[in-house]
Amino acid sequence: DGGITQSPKYLFRKEGQNVTLSCEQNLNHDAMYWYRQDPGQGLRLIYYSQIVNDFQKGDIAEGYSVSREKKESFPLTVTSAQKNPTAFYLCASSPQGYQPQHFGDGTRLSIL
Amino acid sequence: AQTVTQSQPEMSVQEAETVTLSCTYDTSESDYYLFWYKQPPSRQMILVIRQEAYKQQNATENRFSVNFQKAAKSFSLKISDSQLGDAAMYFCAFMDSNYQLIWGAGTKLIIKP
Repeated sequence: DGGITQSPKYLFRKEGQNVTLSCEQNLNHDAMYWYRQDPGQGLRLIYYSQIVNDFQKGDIAEGYSVSREKKESFPLTVTSAQKNPTAFYLCASSPQGYQPQHFGDGTRLSIL
Repeated sequence: AQTVTQSQPEMSVQEAETVTLSCTYDTSESDYYLFWYKQPPSRQMILVIRQEAYKQQNATENRFSVNFQKAAKSFSLKISDSQLGDAAMYFCAFMDSNYQLIWGAGTKLIIKP
């Protein structure tokens, strides 16, 4: 079945550590997105990519980094510069244009 | 800046009855899309319904329909014959001309058996 796979489901980060969240899609979508979700808030855009080897900062990119070396993959690294990383992270993809975004099951990141 | 407001943090409805969730947005654009997504306890985000701003006809998907008032910048979601499986967080989202989604804070829907 086509879809978006995020891993791991749960992740713990130690102080000063970088961690990487995986996002893979087999929907052949051009665009991919990373969102952060905090309790009582809507989703906030971290980074997005409309095409391979290109990505743009969203509203809250500080302390995060991404790469888009393959169409189907868009990993997110939470760096030690992100001082409050505890949140639920959602990856999404979509075709180009005014198309709905399809979401993975998310990764919950916590600080040890 | 574009914003999306969901003024109801929580709503409850009796099973089999009808409930309406409110959403308003602010934009100066004339061409855009609006979406309602559902997030059940499993946390997966699921598309419920979408509306193109240039269409006057309100979108419907089975028991889900919208009341789109472009001049008032209002986009409410009506759920008919509510079922226990409808219990979830519901998010309204606006897609701008850069194809980016701006999200409301969500409404928690409780279904009473």
